Amino acid sequence: KQEVTQIPAALSVPEGENLVLNCSFTDSAIYNLQWFRQDPGKGLTSLLLIQSSQREQTSGRLNASLDKSSGRSTLYIAASQPGDSATYLCAVPPANQAGTALIFGKGTTLSVSS
Amino acid sequence: GAVVSQHPSWVICKSGTSVKIECRSLDFQATTMFWYRQFPKQSLMLMATSNEGSKATYEQGVEKDKFLINHASLTLSTLTVTSAHPEDSSFYICSARPWDRGQVEPQHFGDGTRLSIL
Repeated sequence: KQEVTQIPAALSVPEGENLVLNCSFTDSAIYNLQWFRQDPGKGLTSLLLIQSSQREQTSGRLNASLDKSSGRSTLYIAASQPGDSATYLCAVPPANQAGTALIFGKGTTLSVSS
Repeated sequence: GAVVSQHPSWVICKSGTSVKIECRSLDFQATTMFWYRQFPKQSLMLMATSNEGSKATYEQGVEKDKFLINHASLTLSTLTVTSAHPEDSSFYICSARPWDRGQVEPQHFGDGTRLSIL
């Protein structure tokens, strides 16, 4: 059964710092991996989707990488800002399944101080 | 971009009340929608898969008679929490993905419904 783990659970950094959030999954037979942002009491905002054939995706100050063989993904945030404070979730579909519901990690709660 | 609308965003009601939550795909059709539940400081857990025109598929441990799902059209799925009790208090979120855009389209989530049962 696919399991997703995110480390660290919480992270506090000063504004301007670059940071890396980690995600690992137990079964590497995934079709894609998605990173989300969740603000307190709110729904999810999709940040990046990486297909299994890709190694990374970039959107603005965000860069997500995927290493399927090792079951790992990282989300790199450059020049962090207080507005980046939120919980970041990593999610994958079950192994060898497409178009299905996602399996989520518990998230990393990021706090960026000004 | 694809938008999923969820309503209501917040519900407070007495124990024993039934509560209906709507999930709509505003600019695309979705043959399948998903319902998740999130307890405080926990991750999202899939409750059920809503299939247009057929019965929903429930995850193990989720009572189908308590959480009624109806997917009557390609743009609307509803979750009804019947005879809600305090332990049903949680954050409920739905998601959908445009059926005709393959795996390149990410799943889109509603803004969630905060359900508080007194």
